Amino acid sequence: EVQLQQSGAELGKPGTSVKLSCKVSGYNIRNTYMHWVNQRPGKGLEWIGRIDPANGNTIYAEKFKSKATLTADTSSNTAYMQLSQLKSDDTAIYFCAMPYSGAGVMDAWGQGASVTVSS
Amino acid sequence: DIQMTQSPSFLSASVGDRVTINCKASQNINKYLDWYQQKLGEAPKLLIYNTNSLHTGIPSRFSGSGSGTDFTLTISSLQPEDVATYFCLQHNSGYTFGAGTKLELK
Repeated sequence: EVQLQQSGAELGKPGTSVKLSCKVSGYNIRNTYMHWVNQRPGKGLEWIGRIDPANGNTIYAEKFKSKATLTADTSSNTAYMQLSQLKSDDTAIYFCAMPYSGAGVMDAWGQGASVTVSS
Repeated sequence: DIQMTQSPSFLSASVGDRVTINCKASQNINKYLDWYQQKLGEAPKLLIYNTNSLHTGIPSRFSGSGSGTDFTLTISSLQPEDVATYFCLQHNSGYTFGAGTKLELK
């Protein structure tokens, strides 16, 4: 069974960066994409971007192009997202998600990681 | 960019009711529309992919329909465990979620 285990809650000061991780077990991330999605408090889901871990190719939603940087380490089967120049508006739950069963584009999800931006 | 308009935002229904949730795309997305269920404090869970394919393990009371720009999620007989927020996701061109429908029991 595939599992996506995300890193813990982060508290960041405005202007700093945080790096979230998503470790996959039960599936080789070289064979899939990894998406990142956020959810601001009480709000809906927002797609941030996607990485192809096999070659490092990335695509981002326009509004996240200068905010998020996606990377992956196939040796540890882990995907990462760095969020830079944190603002209060970046306070959210961040999910990693991937296709693995041939059903849809995000059929396996991490549990989510909370990022709180506060001075 | 493709916009997804989801309706209604809130829905109150009784156990056993037939419930429908709609998503309208700003342009043709062919069949590339998925539906997710998110319970409070949990990650989203895939219900339906590519308009009408039921994901493994999802009860058959959930179904999806539509094509082009207009899509519907139907719960044929609402159960108490279906209380959740439901989101659509288009993946024909980029990825865009609908704003969500919060479903509660009457």
